[in-house]
Amino acid sequence: AQKITQTQPGMFVQEKEAVTLDCTYDTSDQSYGLFWYKQPSSGEMIFLIYQGSYDEQNATEGRYSLNFQKARKSANLVISASQLGDSAMYFCAMRPFSAGGTSYGKLTFGQGTILTVHP
Amino acid sequence: NAGVTQTPKFQVLKTGQSMTLQCAQDMNHNSMYWYRQDPGMGLRLIYYSASEGTTDKGEVPNGYNVSRLNKREFSLRLESAAPSQTSVYFCASTRTQIETQYFGPGTRLLVL
Repeated sequence: AQKITQTQPGMFVQEKEAVTLDCTYDTSDQSYGLFWYKQPSSGEMIFLIYQGSYDEQNATEGRYSLNFQKARKSANLVISASQLGDSAMYFCAMRPFSAGGTSYGKLTFGQGTILTVHP
Repeated sequence: NAGVTQTPKFQVLKTGQSMTLQCAQDMNHNSMYWYRQDPGMGLRLIYYSASEGTTDKGEVPNGYNVSRLNKREFSLRLESAAPSQTSVYFCASTRTQIETQYFGPGTRLLVL
């Protein structure tokens, strides 16, 4: 079974500063993907960034980067130069890629971190 | 190109009533998913359809049924709604089971 842990229920950051949202995961699969989604107050789920377990380089997408430490089973999201519009709930999720397993293709979510950006 | 659409956006039911939540995607995706989101619990998978013609249970399937009507549409049915099914329901789709899932806007369901 997969498990995602986000230990920060809420985080605060000053506008224009960087912030790191923590995510640790537990899986017995050797091949998997890690995802981050943003959920603003309007409720939709917005895909932000993806990291494959075999990717040697950390993923980056604009102001978002994923600090992937495979040995520690962590996949922290770093948001640089925070903006007021970054205030939202952020979810870390994982998906095993081992075909034939019962969890194959299923996305498991953490409980989320609420980020508030102060002006 | 609307992506993933869901109807209705909001629904109030009485205990015991039935309803169907509709989901459609126009991205030619093969796999579709239904999740529920409860406060403090993240999203949990109810049912999924890896490809047209197949459906499988997720983490919390009890009280729900699904139909993969065609490649585009995947519906979720509550046969006899219970207050414990008050939640926000999200539909998602992906081209293959290992690619990024894209979500619909959600349906807020309140069961009294």
